[in-house]
Amino acid sequence: GQQVMQIPQYQHVQEGEDFTTYCNSSTTLSNIQWYKQRPGGHPVFLIQLVKSGEVKKQKRLTFQFGEAKKNSSLHITATQTTDVGTYFCAGPSTGNQFYFGTGTSLTVIP
Amino acid sequence: EADIYQTPRYLVIGTGKKITLECSQTMGHDKMYWYQQDPGMELHLIHYSYGVNSTEKGDLSSESTVSRIRTEHFPLTLESARPSHTSQYLCASNEHRSPLHFGNGTRLTVT
Repeated sequence: GQQVMQIPQYQHVQEGEDFTTYCNSSTTLSNIQWYKQRPGGHPVFLIQLVKSGEVKKQKRLTFQFGEAKKNSSLHITATQTTDVGTYFCAGPSTGNQFYFGTGTSLTVIP
Repeated sequence: EADIYQTPRYLVIGTGKKITLECSQTMGHDKMYWYQQDPGMELHLIHYSYGVNSTEKGDLSSESTVSRIRTEHFPLTLESARPSHTSQYLCASNEHRSPLHFGNGTRLTVT
């Protein structure tokens, strides 16, 4: 079946440092979505990427979709304590159900 | 904020009990999903539905069942709960490939 892997699984950074998580799919994706889950909460949608090589920015967050549409990345510049949480990528299968990546848990040390 | 509701929020029950986790959405979405998630871990798709009277199993083997008699309602039932079912259960909905809207989840503990 489809597999979506993320690295790293955990990341601890000092506040103000940058952070990047990488998402890799075993199959080509029609689109990819990113979600953030705060501790004790539920996943909340951040952004969707559709086009090959697409780059989107949300303030300090930069999202990129690979040229082959099999990988994606999320980069956070100058992390803040409010960035704490687990970041998931998710891609649709051929049957249109969504498969989530393994997630990257971000801890920001004040 | 999306209108998708899950009840109960927390549930502690004994082994062997039958339970139903409720999920309702008021957005008229055709597609609904159940995910199982252990704390801090990835989400595993256990059931999904594309519309009324349509249900499918996801990749994660589950001893639960679902029904979709009405568009807005997608309950999940465990006929006989076991400690291995202890987890968080998240319900979600969407239209076609649009973003998923999640409920707040049900944290289930089976003793």
